[in-house]
Amino acid sequence: GENVEQHPSTLSVQEGDSAVIKCTYSDSASNYFPWYKQELGKRPQLIIDIRSNVGEKKDQRIAVTLNKTAKHFSLHITETQPEDSAVYFCAASSGFGNEKLTFGTGTRLTIIP
Amino acid sequence: GAVVSQHPSWVICKSGTSVKIECRSLDFQATTMFWYRQFPKQSLMLMATSNEGSKATYEQGVEKDKFLINHASLTLSTLTVTSAHPEDSSFYICSAREPAGAGNEQFFGPGTRLTVL
Repeated sequence: GENVEQHPSTLSVQEGDSAVIKCTYSDSASNYFPWYKQELGKRPQLIIDIRSNVGEKKDQRIAVTLNKTAKHFSLHITETQPEDSAVYFCAASSGFGNEKLTFGTGTRLTIIP
Repeated sequence: GAVVSQHPSWVICKSGTSVKIECRSLDFQATTMFWYRQFPKQSLMLMATSNEGSKATYEQGVEKDKFLINHASLTLSTLTVTSAHPEDSSFYICSAREPAGAGNEQFFGPGTRLTVL
C-alpha cells in the first residue's frame, strides 16, 4: 500500500519568513495530493491540493509543488503569520476505486511573532 | 462547500459499553465515507471505508467485529465501538467523498472525542 513520509515534524519560523514542508510517497499510481491544516481538537481543513498532471499550484501565500519522478511534493507558505501556526498534514491518494487517503505524520508549525 | 456533520462531538463512557457515532453528509449524497482515528499528537489513521449498501472495507489491523460500520443511506454512516476499553479513547473523524466524477476531495466531519473510563 501507499506510504507517505513527511518532514520536518516540527518547524518554527519568524513571522514574515517562509515555511516549507516536504512529503514523499511510495505508490507511483497516486495522483491526488492534498494538504490539510489542523488546529487542536478541530477537523482537518483542506488548504490546497494538486493533481499529478500539474507541477505547481499557487493560492495567495500558499503553493504546492509536485515532482512525480522523484515522488515528492512540498508545501510552501510565504509571508507567514501567527494564524498559520497549526499542524499540517500531507496526504496521497490513487484516485481509483474509493480514493482512500494516506496521511503523512504531520508537521507542527509555529510562527514566532 | 460540502458539509459533513458528526454526532456526538464528545462522549464519555464506561469500559465495556458500546458507543455509536453518526456521520452525515448534509448537502450532498456520499456513496463512500471514511472513518479515521487520531491519537494525541499523531496523524489520522484510516480505519475503514464505508460504502452505501455494502459491507465496509477495513484496514489491516482494525477489528471489524469491534468497530461496526453501517452505511445504510447515501447521507449517513455510523461507527459503533463495541465493548469499549480505555485504549479505544481517541478522536474519531469521518469524511465523505464527493460523488464520482466530481473529484477526489474528501470533506471531514468535526470529529468525536471518545473517552472510555
